Amino acid sequence: DTGVSQNPRHKITKRGQNVTFRCDPISEHNRLYWYRQTLGQGPEFLTYFQNEAQLEKSRLLSDRFSAERPKGSFSTLEIQRTEQGDSAMYLCASSLDPAGAGELFFGEGSRLTVL
Amino acid sequence: SQQGEEDPQALSIQEGENATMNCSYKTSINNLQWYRQNSGRGLVHLILIRSNEREKHSGRLRVTLDTSKKSSSLLITASRAADTASYFCATAPGSNDYKLSFGAGTTVTVRA
Repeated sequence: DTGVSQNPRHKITKRGQNVTFRCDPISEHNRLYWYRQTLGQGPEFLTYFQNEAQLEKSRLLSDRFSAERPKGSFSTLEIQRTEQGDSAMYLCASSLDPAGAGELFFGEGSRLTVL
Repeated sequence: SQQGEEDPQALSIQEGENATMNCSYKTSINNLQWYRQNSGRGLVHLILIRSNEREKHSGRLRVTLDTSKKSSSLLITASRAADTASYFCATAPGSNDYKLSFGAGTTVTVRA
């Protein structure tokens, strides 16, 4: 399967613990995005990378959140000192857009439950 | 904050009927896209319409865009049970801004 892969698919953790999600984009895609989705809402933009450079971060991404994309391949999203409000689906997407925003290819998401 | 708003929030139709949902947005756009999401899954891209286009078709899907009213509609013809999903519109603000903003979605239920 050459789609976007996210791991783990589900994570249950206790408040205060750190969690890390991994995203493997489609191999030739240079752009990678992280979105967060809560129940009944649409995805909310968190951050995006062009190759290894993190070009934009949402104000939703507090200092407890950090994202990396070393060598412009896979990406990780770490949440430190998790809070119950962090419970959500974290979606990764990738794209290859030579001219402007185009179609995003999404992974199946990583669902986080903070107890 | 989310750029687009879909209407209605939920829609229930009989198999074979058409489903229409609308999206309104606030700022100028480069393009508008529609995505489908089955429960608990990722989003799947359906169709993209550019700001200089007014209508686009893809299989049983028809999308219109009215930039003067800042609105778009998605029509699914001859619906099937497999069309049961949430549908989201997403706007791309400009040619150098790659961040898509999604609405809250329309949940469509197709009854057999």
